[in-house]
Amino acid sequence: KAGVTQTPRYLIKTRGQQVTLSCSPISGHRSVSWYQQTPGQGLQFLFEYFSETQRNKGNFPGRFSGRQFSNSRSEMNVSTLELGDSALYLCASGLAGYQETQYFGPGTRLLVL
Amino acid sequence: AQKVTQAQTEISVVEKEDVTLDCVYETRDTTYYLFWYKQPPSGELVFLIRRNSFDEQNEISGRYSWNFQKSTSSFNFTITASQVVDSAVYFCALRGGGFKTIFGAGTRLFVKA
Repeated sequence: KAGVTQTPRYLIKTRGQQVTLSCSPISGHRSVSWYQQTPGQGLQFLFEYFSETQRNKGNFPGRFSGRQFSNSRSEMNVSTLELGDSALYLCASGLAGYQETQYFGPGTRLLVL
Repeated sequence: AQKVTQAQTEISVVEKEDVTLDCVYETRDTTYYLFWYKQPPSGELVFLIRRNSFDEQNEISGRYSWNFQKSTSSFNFTITASQVVDSAVYFCALRGGGFKTIFGAGTRLFVKA
């Protein structure tokens, strides 16, 4: 079974631009979560989607948004990029319930200049 | 509030030594799940183990073993006879009923040949 895939793997943007990251979950998985990883803040939860509905959100500004499609694929968008948004963005997928293990993709490394 | 503490920032051992990574958590949920993930230099988080709050049985898988003690809110991870390939960052994580996974800061393990 294929794992979680994320595209693109690497991205360079400039301040003020916006970016969209994509995540395809493991086949059969219906929940998708997003995390931001930085050296200073560690792994921080962004949001989690299930059946196209956001079921929890972390403490990030409104510039960070996401959505999930009917095929469970998910995208996250960051508008008006800031230097501090440079990070590894990780996507994880799981079955349905909160007790399920989340499996992570390889991440998208975003550099904001 | 939920919290995961990994007090050890970095650990350095010589190959074949045993090493224990500590994890202490806080939660008010009566049902919750604990996880350990490994993050090699490539960046992808690799799932190692999941434990639910009702199952305090310790587990051994090859050179890995986990000690879950609800009384002390700890979920420690031991690698026996460490190998160079074990060098990575290890994360402990907690997931309760809020569809949100909280990660510890991680412990970077260096195994020297």
